[in-house]
Amino acid sequence: QQQVKQSPQSLIVQKGGISIINCAYENTAFDYFPWYQQFPGKGPALLIAIRPDVSEKKEGRFTISFNKSAKQFSLHIMDSQPGDSATYFCAATPGTGFQKLVFGTGTRLLVSP
Amino acid sequence: GAVVSQHPSWVICKSGTSVKIECRSLDFQATTMFWYRQFPKQSLMLMATSNEGSKATYEQGVEKDKFLINHASLTLSTLTVTSAHPEDSSFYICSASDSRGLPYEQYFGPGTRLTVT
Repeated sequence: QQQVKQSPQSLIVQKGGISIINCAYENTAFDYFPWYQQFPGKGPALLIAIRPDVSEKKEGRFTISFNKSAKQFSLHIMDSQPGDSATYFCAATPGTGFQKLVFGTGTRLLVSP
Repeated sequence: GAVVSQHPSWVICKSGTSVKIECRSLDFQATTMFWYRQFPKQSLMLMATSNEGSKATYEQGVEKDKFLINHASLTLSTLTVTSAHPEDSSFYICSASDSRGLPYEQYFGPGTRLTVT
C-alpha cells in the first residue's frame, strides 16, 4: 500500500514531442503528489506538484494530470527539449505534517535532437 | 529560497574508517531532515528521518549503529558512516522541510558521492 508504481522505466522522445510518464498509488491517505527531476550526479529538484482537489496543474511546459478515482497521476512534458533529458521521479505523501515521501522507481527520459 | 547544501560533494575513504556528511538548510529553518541513499539507476531509498533535538527514526533494515544521524540545530544535520566498507559506497542525499512553510514539501541537497576503497 505504500508503493507508488511508475512507468515507463525509460523513454525516448524526439525534440518537440510530448513526454508522458505515469504513476499509480494505492494508499488513499496520500494527498500530495510531487514530481522531481534529477540530473546525473545531482540531487532531485522539485518540478511540479499537485493535490487531489484539482485534476490538472500546468506550469510552463509541464502538466500534471490527476485521476483520483483511478488513483493515477501523470506528468506531461510538452515540446520536449534535449535539456529535459533526466530521470523523473513521481512521489506521494500524506499532505499533513512532516511526512516521508514515497518515491516511484524513476523514468529515464532521453530527448533526441 | 529553500536551498539545501551538502558537504562534501564527494569523498573517498578507506575501508574501516568513518566519514561524516553535513546537510545544511541555508535560508530556512528545518525542523525535519531526511537522509536518502541512492544506488546507480535506482530510486531514492529513505534511510532515516531526523528531527531537531531528538533521536532519528530509522527505516527498517537500516543499521542505526552504522549510520549515525545527528540533528543538533535547525539548520544542520549530519550523517556519519562508521567503519565504512565498500558496500557502503553510494550516493547519499539529504532533504529538509521548512518549518515555516508547507511541512510536506521537501527540498533536496545536491548529494554526496561516497566511495569506500
